[in-house]
Amino acid sequence: AQKVTQAQTEISVVEKEDVTLDCVYETRDTTYYLFWYKQPPSGELVFLIRRNSFDEQNEISGRYSWNFQKSTSSFNFTITASQVVDSAVYFCALSEDLYNFNKFYFGSGTKLNVKP
Amino acid sequence: SQTIHQWPATLVQPVGSPLSLECTVEGTSNPNLYWYRQAAGRGLQLLFYSVGIGQISSEVPQNLSASRPQDRQFILSSKKLLLSDSGFYLCAWGIDNSNQPQHFGDGTRLSIL
Repeated sequence: AQKVTQAQTEISVVEKEDVTLDCVYETRDTTYYLFWYKQPPSGELVFLIRRNSFDEQNEISGRYSWNFQKSTSSFNFTITASQVVDSAVYFCALSEDLYNFNKFYFGSGTKLNVKP
Repeated sequence: SQTIHQWPATLVQPVGSPLSLECTVEGTSNPNLYWYRQAAGRGLQLLFYSVGIGQISSEVPQNLSASRPQDRQFILSSKKLLLSDSGFYLCAWGIDNSNQPQHFGDGTRLSIL
């Protein structure tokens, strides 16, 4: 079964619109970590955020915000006032308990197109 | 600071030819190392990971193999490439038992003709 699901394959918005990227995860562990990465057209993966399972506080970093809800097993990512430079593929990932060799389970990614 | 290097950046190979992709990490000791493949328009699939020299774990059966001859060197190989081996290959490093972010190289775009 897929441990991380990103149901939105591709989203297109116009610059300055807000956009939310969904991430749903599945795990039996009580301790786990969630991540978001950005993959611009150049291909490298850029780390954005890490969240542990005991911290459900939402986080805001500039135009980026993350909403972690254990009740729905979701870790959604919102970009406020999107810009063309936000165009990329965004990946959500899950890492389970400490003795799992730090393996990551990635979702299939959401491609975000921000048009001017 | 830690850095990760992958090469080559792009590679075009005929079917049936061998493959060797190399990844090296600087600025850290005894990292966990990972090879991922990203098929066109798809997500990241973990191929291999290594927790130490000579220790390789395979996540999916395939035409590829990996080796770790030195602490900070990770090599992805194949004796005979298949068309289905085409894709974008990413190397990453992480710290064992830490759940810290993995850090990725710039990737190798492999095309099989």
